[in-house]
Amino acid sequence: AQSVTQLGSHVSVSEGALVLLRCNYSSSVPPYLFWYVQYPNQGLQLLLKYTTGATLVKGINGFEAEFKKSETSFHLTKPSAHMSDAAEYFCAGITDSWGKLQFGAGTQVVVTP
Amino acid sequence: GAVVSQHPSWVICKSGTSVKIECRSLDFQATTMFWYRQFPKQSLMLMATSNEGSKATYEQGVEKDKFLINHASLTLSTLTVTSAHPEDSSFYICSARLGTNSYEQYFGPGTRLTVT
Repeated sequence: AQSVTQLGSHVSVSEGALVLLRCNYSSSVPPYLFWYVQYPNQGLQLLLKYTTGATLVKGINGFEAEFKKSETSFHLTKPSAHMSDAAEYFCAGITDSWGKLQFGAGTQVVVTP
Repeated sequence: GAVVSQHPSWVICKSGTSVKIECRSLDFQATTMFWYRQFPKQSLMLMATSNEGSKATYEQGVEKDKFLINHASLTLSTLTVTSAHPEDSSFYICSARLGTNSYEQYFGPGTRLTVT
């Protein structure tokens, strides 16, 4: 069964610095993976997704993620952090044919001036 | 883009009463919708999968008699918390799957339920 692990519950970055959020998955089938962002008291917004094809996936707001099968990873990056990137980020993977998602525990990103 | 709405955005109710939360896909048809619960500083926990025209499938540990889910149309699913208690206070989020050929889910803005 699919499981998703996010390394680091809290990340603090300086404005303008690289943002790197780690996500590893385990699965015996080709994964469908997603990164979502959640701002306080709001729902989730899709940042990007990997289904098939190109392993480097570009998303909204300058984020991208690379699917690495050999490392079972799907890390999220952004070259230059902005204050508006402060939020909770969730990695998620599909667990069945209905499309049920399993979420990682989440990573809180704090951006300091 | 695909938009999902929830109503109400927040609700306060007294212990023992029931509360209904609506989840609507505004610009697409969703044969499958999901209901999640999120406690403060925690991840989303899937409560149930709702398929249009059929009974919802509940995750282990979720009381189906307490959390009634109805998916009566391709654009509307409802979650009714029956005989609510303070421990049911939480942030409830729905999502809708973008068609049967896509695994993308679009999320509603959430409903904050407080039971007093």
